[in-house]
Amino acid sequence: DVVVTQSPLSLPVTLGQPASISCRSSQSLVYSDGNTYLYWFQQRPGQSPRRLIYKVSNRDFGVPDRFSGSGSGTDFTLKISRVEAEDVGVYYCMQGTHWPWTFGQGTKVEIK
Amino acid sequence: EVQLVESGGGSVQPGGSLRLSCAASGFTFSSYSMNWVRQAPGKGLEWISYISSSGTIYYADSVKGRFTISRDNAKNSLFLQMNSLRAEDTAVYYCARLGSSFEGCYWGQGTLVTVSS
Repeated sequence: DVVVTQSPLSLPVTLGQPASISCRSSQSLVYSDGNTYLYWFQQRPGQSPRRLIYKVSNRDFGVPDRFSGSGSGTDFTLKISRVEAEDVGVYYCMQGTHWPWTFGQGTKVEIK
Repeated sequence: EVQLVESGGGSVQPGGSLRLSCAASGFTFSSYSMNWVRQAPGKGLEWISYISSSGTIYYADSVKGRFTISRDNAKNSLFLQMNSLRAEDTAVYYCARLGSSFEGCYWGQGTLVTVSS
């Protein structure tokens, strides 16, 4: 199975400051169709997950533009340009290229 | 508005069975692949099963041979038959239309399954 490793696992951030989460996979996530099926999800406390980013860098509808995704191959990053209070929660990357699909361990973002 | 509503969770003894359901509305259910994702208490997300619109099925190794995913397009419903349940299957189970692109991604509110003697 493809192992997806996130870092850091805990990320204390000052309001208004940037934040960055790394996601690395044990195999390339480029699919035979040329797409890279790497997603980012946010889970706020007590809520169901919500997808933020699909195929590495595409923001879902309604996701603020302070969230951005980048990367290629096996190395990916989620960036929050200026953290707001509503961004507190756990962030997961997930690969949908290889079966079985796998999530990273999650990164807990909290306000300092 | 897309809605996914899970039901069927509860408490069961180890070795027992449970059937989860997910009622879908607000979209053409038969046209979309669907998934089950679970989350053990205080832990991360674990994808466990997928069924395509045409019936192709995949499972995580942790549930293969014990869980069965199915769908009833006429009733806009997704199911997860869980047999030989173990303590480590204790989790909130989410029904999710994960999608791969701009068509959106939707999750239910989850249903709690507790496996304990």
